[in-house]
Amino acid sequence: QKEVEQNSGPLSVPEGAIASLNCTYSDRVSQSFFWYRQYSGKSPELIMSIYSNGDKEDGRFTAQLNKASQYVSLLIRDSQPSDSATYLCAVKRGSNFGNEKLTFGTGTRLTIIP
Amino acid sequence: ETGVTQSPTHLIKTRGQQVTLRCSSQSGHNTVSWYQQALGQGPQFIFQYYREEENGRGNFPPRFSGLQFPNYSSELNVNALELDDSALYLCASSPSPGTRDNEQFFGPGTRLTVL
Repeated sequence: QKEVEQNSGPLSVPEGAIASLNCTYSDRVSQSFFWYRQYSGKSPELIMSIYSNGDKEDGRFTAQLNKASQYVSLLIRDSQPSDSATYLCAVKRGSNFGNEKLTFGTGTRLTIIP
Repeated sequence: ETGVTQSPTHLIKTRGQQVTLRCSSQSGHNTVSWYQQALGQGPQFIFQYYREEENGRGNFPPRFSGLQFPNYSSELNVNALELDDSALYLCASSPSPGTRDNEQFFGPGTRLTVL
């Protein structure tokens, strides 16, 4: 079982619709969860972080975390063509020294159709 | 505020050679992490440096080594290059480790091709 799993896609969503991206993780003691956006040929860009169960909203983006189900998701409302990218889910196990690595999924490729 | 910078942007080497990649952390950050991203994969953690000491290492062989300098910039050295080392090498900077909400911000990366 992979430590962090994402559907690789591609996921195609019409412009203006809601895009829903999902991620599951295997390590129950994971504490911190991040979503990065990566355009083709570029480096990952942090768009959301979430640490507690529930929803966290930032503009058109909403991150959702359910630690009991070991599940984290990202919703993008009013999808725009500029949202077309690969979305990487990353998990950090702990917050103590020596345990700061991010473990990434393979990413979900999202295409917004005009 | 200055973001994370990396050099060089692209690099072509042959098998068996050695390479050094460089990273300058974002202003206010004293921790640097290095990741390797193969095509179509998520980034894989190589190691992290804090206060010039290695603070965690991933499953990479000893020929991957690093340094951090007093100004918090960092180097990644790879010896005896193999074809599978061809990848995008990413540097991420963050504040001091030890907090749950410690976020990592990536530089533009160095694309290494080994022939």
